[in-house]
Amino acid sequence: ETGVTQTPRHLVMGMTNKKSLKCEQHLGHNAMYWYKQSAKKPLELMFVYSLEERVENNSVPSRFSPECPNSSHLFLHLHTLQPEDSALYLCASSQSLSRGTSQNIQYFGAGTRLSVL
Amino acid sequence: QKEVEQNSGPLSVPEGAIASLNCTYSDRGSQSFFWYRQYSGKSPELIMSIYSNGDKEDGRFTAQLNKASQYVSLLIRDSQPSDSATYLCAVRPYGNNRLAFGKGNQVVVIP
Repeated sequence: ETGVTQTPRHLVMGMTNKKSLKCEQHLGHNAMYWYKQSAKKPLELMFVYSLEERVENNSVPSRFSPECPNSSHLFLHLHTLQPEDSALYLCASSQSLSRGTSQNIQYFGAGTRLSVL
Repeated sequence: QKEVEQNSGPLSVPEGAIASLNCTYSDRGSQSFFWYRQYSGKSPELIMSIYSNGDKEDGRFTAQLNKASQYVSLLIRDSQPSDSATYLCAVRPYGNNRLAFGKGNQVVVIP
């Protein structure tokens, strides 16, 4: 147990559905991240929320919409997805640079395995 | 040029041998370097972090960093079947919260 909890663990959805992924961290961190992991590809950063910034990877389609209501919770809203969006979606958290640490160790949740039919 | 490169294919090592993994990175200003282990179907877990040139040892794992050559490596001594996993190299570019990851190296320890 890393202190980062993701729900649901598995999700199957059709291309017309709307669903949301949830992430919650209990580590007192103030930066949270969404990553996509597809087979045989590097982990791809989708979004970063921290005290200093909200960063979006410009290559992420608008059918993925993040929401970060506070420093402990992060959501990824999904709508009209495509089959190629099927992947493992990972949430991570860390202390942000503003806290004066250079370590910035990121801790990952267990992930949501998403299948788009 | 990719930010983080791990070019080796799957690595098979006999139980008890040393597994050696290599990683290069492009941002010369990077200051934080990490190795994560990921079992099939699971999420990455941190096994080593290193911030200054030289070696850092933790149990059977040794990380080596050479900033001049922009190179970081991981040695696994006395490899065990439980070490069979994919190992991800991650680098934090200067001034960033984010991490850049390599594709990973699969290690298979043969009993």
